[in-house]
Amino acid sequence: GAVVSQHPSRVICKSGTSVKIECRSLDFQATTMFWYRQFPKQSLMLMATSNEGSKATYEQGVEKDKFLINHASLTLSTLTVTSAHPEDSSFYICSPGGPGPNTEAFFGQGTRLTVV
Amino acid sequence: AQSVSQHNHHVILSEAASLELGCNYSYGGTVNLFWYVQYPGQHLQLLLKYFSGDPLVKGIKGFEAEFIKSKFSFNLRKPSVQWSDTAEYFCAVRRGSSNTGKLIFGQGTTLQVKP
Repeated sequence: GAVVSQHPSRVICKSGTSVKIECRSLDFQATTMFWYRQFPKQSLMLMATSNEGSKATYEQGVEKDKFLINHASLTLSTLTVTSAHPEDSSFYICSPGGPGPNTEAFFGQGTRLTVV
Repeated sequence: AQSVSQHNHHVILSEAASLELGCNYSYGGTVNLFWYVQYPGQHLQLLLKYFSGDPLVKGIKGFEAEFIKSKFSFNLRKPSVQWSDTAEYFCAVRRGSSNTGKLIFGQGTTLQVKP
């Protein structure tokens, strides 16, 4: 399967600081990157969809100024949680659009963010 | 809005019991269907997928699922569960077949298998 590398796997930060999460598609070019969030004991919820070279599309209720997404290249997308608060503590997972139609979705290892 | 519904939120079974987890979706067009498993502390792993063809698909670890188009369902089954199957199970649907289509996940089902 495709290799998706997400870093860091765990991060603890203080309230008010910003955290950047990187997601790399290592063996295919991803024109699209999906960012999901998973709260404890809950399902994955799509936050936003980023497209290489253009602005990301955010799902309803997700603040675009708080969750900055950059998709500057076909192999790298970043999610920056700005001015983090304890309620932003969650598991963030990236998933590049697959290498072609009718392909499974591949996921990064996820980033466990804890805001203290 | 498109939705994915998993009917069983928490299932408790004894080893060797049979398993069936329900999944229904609300989109009427072409779909790609997936079941993912998440073991405690680990990331998502693909169990099986359906794109087209035979509606009965077999996945890893003895799991299978049946796509019934008329019922908008994609139920997951396993004839005999093991303690190691204890995990969270997610059904996911992608509209169309494009690789740029987002996945919509069901709420998840927690499976607890008692030894």
